Amino acid sequence: VHLVASGGGLVQPGGSLRLSCAASGFNFRRSWMSWVRQVPGKGLECVATINDDGKETYYVDSLKGRYIISRDNVRNLLYLQISNLRPYDTAVYSCAKLAINSVEYWGQGSLVTVSS
Amino acid sequence: DVDMTQSPLSLSVTPGQSASISCRSSQSLVHSDGNNYLHWFRQRPGQSPRRLMYEVSNRDSGVPDRFSGSGSGTDFTLKISRVEAEDVGVYYCMQGSHWPWTFGQGTKVEIK
Repeated sequence: VHLVASGGGLVQPGGSLRLSCAASGFNFRRSWMSWVRQVPGKGLECVATINDDGKETYYVDSLKGRYIISRDNVRNLLYLQISNLRPYDTAVYSCAKLAINSVEYWGQGSLVTVSS
Repeated sequence: DVDMTQSPLSLSVTPGQSASISCRSSQSLVHSDGNNYLHWFRQRPGQSPRRLMYEVSNRDSGVPDRFSGSGSGTDFTLKISRVEAEDVGVYYCMQGSHWPWTFGQGTKVEIK
């Protein structure tokens, strides 16, 4: 299983960005996926989940409306669109392959820094 | 949201000795299907977390049998027997019984 996130960087407050995650080594189109984040030196949070065909999505309540998870099952890509970025969105964002009610594999992350 | 509380927050262990980490949830983790979706992860410095145990007591592939998990409902324990240098890292419990899934704050394990 290989999961590599990209698209992070320095963003001004109020800005937007789209993170991508390239998946390989497993049957992506049959796997539920999530975006998880870790504030540097702090805790872990599972922010969004998507089912295998992309028709069901789940979000942490506080992030609904600003975070959008999506996927491309042809190109084996997972996406996270974040709008109206705020300083507290600063974190390392990783994609994760899920098993039943669990994160099974955690990918390499991409740092998002929100600062003026 | 379900709060996950780990203790202790740090642990210094002599090689060959045992270590235990407690994880308590603010709500029962018994899912409607009867399972406890409580999992354990370890994060080594500079790496992403790796799952070690799933559904309380099942070891992931490649995890030594020195690791064991127990518990049900709201109280869970990860035990590391015969601690080795490679066991250093931050250990997190995670609940998958209720959305949003939540993590404990982490327990840092160091070797004396």
